[in-house]
Amino acid sequence: SQQGEEDPQALSIQEGENATMNCSYKTSINNLQWYRQNSGRGLVHLILIRSNEREKHSGRLRVTLDTSKKSSSLLITASRAADTASYFCATDARETSGSRLTFGEGTQLTVNP
Amino acid sequence: NAGVTQTPKFQVLKTGQSMTLQCAQDMNHEYMSWYRQDPGMGLRLIHYSVGAGITDQGEVPNGYNVSRSTTEDFPLRLLSAAPSQTSVYFCASSYWQGAGEQYFGPGTRLTVT
Repeated sequence: SQQGEEDPQALSIQEGENATMNCSYKTSINNLQWYRQNSGRGLVHLILIRSNEREKHSGRLRVTLDTSKKSSSLLITASRAADTASYFCATDARETSGSRLTFGEGTQLTVNP
Repeated sequence: NAGVTQTPKFQVLKTGQSMTLQCAQDMNHEYMSWYRQDPGMGLRLIHYSVGAGITDQGEVPNGYNVSRSTTEDFPLRLLSAAPSQTSVYFCASSYWQGAGEQYFGPGTRLTVT
């Protein structure tokens, strides 16, 4: 079963707007990561947040982590058409001791010019 | 650096045929893994390796074999292809462990008829 579940499944916004995607997971984690996948391509790592961190920024990306609610959110500010892609969260569950990541099903983001 | 490379890019097999998907990385990463991605789903881990000579099963290992004779290469073998193995296959590598930042290859799109 998937550890991470993204919400919403699909999101369509206008260029310049902010996009927020959420990820919920089931078990205790060491870290949570976000990846982007452009159509027909491999995944690209965006950001990693550790279980003892609450917020992290990277350029136009802001990730929050709430371990009490077992959830994370990815905010993309001032979106661009080039941000159109699928976004996946991936968790490093404590039970697998850092040996693997478990990916969610992804959110398809469409940014309309 | 070429990063993670995969060959072939596309492949069509008949049921019962066998083949090997190739994966190589030139980043001297110890950890390598194979995932499959099916429409509307996240990535599911097939097999992984924490170093040359060491492999382990992931979430969906049945029907697949792997070996790791060198740090650079991690081929995935389909023993007797089945239509249920129609998918996009991604190889990934990581510097320090399976739960670290993953570098993905471009994928192999496999169709089994």
